[in-house]
Amino acid sequence: DAGVIQSPRHEVTEMGQEVTLRCKPISGHNSLFWYRQTMMRGLELLIYFNNNVPIDDSGMPEDRFSAKMPNASFSTLKIQPSEPRDSAVYFCASSARTGQLEKLFFGSGTQLSVL
Amino acid sequence: SQQGEEDPQALSIQEGENATMNCSYKTSINNLQWYRQNSGRGLVHLILIRSNEREKHSGRLRVTLDTSKKSSSLLITASRAADTASYFCATRSGGGADGLTFGKGTHLIIQP
Repeated sequence: DAGVIQSPRHEVTEMGQEVTLRCKPISGHNSLFWYRQTMMRGLELLIYFNNNVPIDDSGMPEDRFSAKMPNASFSTLKIQPSEPRDSAVYFCASSARTGQLEKLFFGSGTQLSVL
Repeated sequence: SQQGEEDPQALSIQEGENATMNCSYKTSINNLQWYRQNSGRGLVHLILIRSNEREKHSGRLRVTLDTSKKSSSLLITASRAADTASYFCATRSGGGADGLTFGKGTHLIIQP
């Protein structure tokens, strides 16, 4: 099993540019989560999907952030336009069942630096 | 806002000693989970304890849960250098929301 795959591993961009982060969940998992990690705020849940449908996006900081899950094997998190305060590590995680006691499997993260 | 808060924020001990980390949370929970994060990596699930359980073991890990105090502890026995990492508690609310809420973690350093 390849685990949750995220790309790119590192992204450096200039303020105002569009950034797209990608995630491939574990095959067969039907829940997908996007988290952001910073020293100041720790791990924040941005949005999660069940069966490709967004369930809760209350953690998305602003309209500049959007996420999609067009099919069960792919999700994107887009920031447009990016700002320096968006610099963080963005994690994608997936799990096998919804509303149960399941654990999350995390990808290795995308280190985003906005200059 | 953070649901779980770990204590201490950082802990340094000698190899072979036991390490204890605590987690407090604010609202009712369905279950509580502990995760480990090595530097530059994603989080890895360690152990899950349900709200109706009081103690759980997995190898060198022991987790306790006190729902009356809204607190949990993670004990790592006979620590090893490889246990050096950050440890996070995460909760799923009693309302059934699927997203886990994480604390800010305890950074554990095992001195060889």
